[in-house]
Amino acid sequence: ETGVTQSPTHLIKTRGQQVTLRCSSQSGHNTVSWYQQALGQGPQFIFQYYREEENGRGNFPPRFSGLQFPNYSSELNVNALELDDSALYLCASSPPGGEQFFGPGTRLTVL
Amino acid sequence: AQSVTQLDSHVSVSEGTPVLLRCNYSSSYSPSLFWYVQHPNKGLQLLLKYTSAATLVKGINGFEAEFKKSETSFHLTKPSAHMSDAAEYFCAVYQSGGYQKVTFGIGTKLQVIP
Repeated sequence: ETGVTQSPTHLIKTRGQQVTLRCSSQSGHNTVSWYQQALGQGPQFIFQYYREEENGRGNFPPRFSGLQFPNYSSELNVNALELDDSALYLCASSPPGGEQFFGPGTRLTVL
Repeated sequence: AQSVTQLDSHVSVSEGTPVLLRCNYSSSYSPSLFWYVQHPNKGLQLLLKYTSAATLVKGINGFEAEFKKSETSFHLTKPSAHMSDAAEYFCAVYQSGGYQKVTFGIGTKLQVIP
């Protein structure tokens, strides 16, 4: 059974650019959640996708958007990058109502 | 809204001595509580979870936690620390309902001294 995978591992962007992060969910999991973990902080919930639709969102601006595909993989898109967007972005997949399994994360640095 | 508070940002113990990482929760109903561990430059690994079954929960690597409703606590313990336990530990509460969201504490960094 393959676990949750994320790509890329690391990414460096400049202010104002756009970025796309990718996540492959664990087999049998139809729900994907995204979290932002700033340095020295706990992960903060960005949003969750279930069956290709966003069904929950945390306190993040609209420039944070996402997609979920028919195979339940997901993308996180961030437009107009700001310095404060530098963080570890974690993806978690889960079966319906089940616990979340986390990927290794993508570390984004915005210069 | 549900939340968790980790009472210590840093804990330092000597190898072979007990570990205690403290977490209090706030919830209007019976919560689902979790402890995760994060090693440097790694993702989150589930240590253990409480989902209204036994109040003493055993996890991986010798860790356990006790759910105490009267104290609204879910402290993580281990009888004897190992060097490999040095990491960041996060207490978390699952919110269920329309969607499942995990709310994390700010983390406790565990240092193990040889």
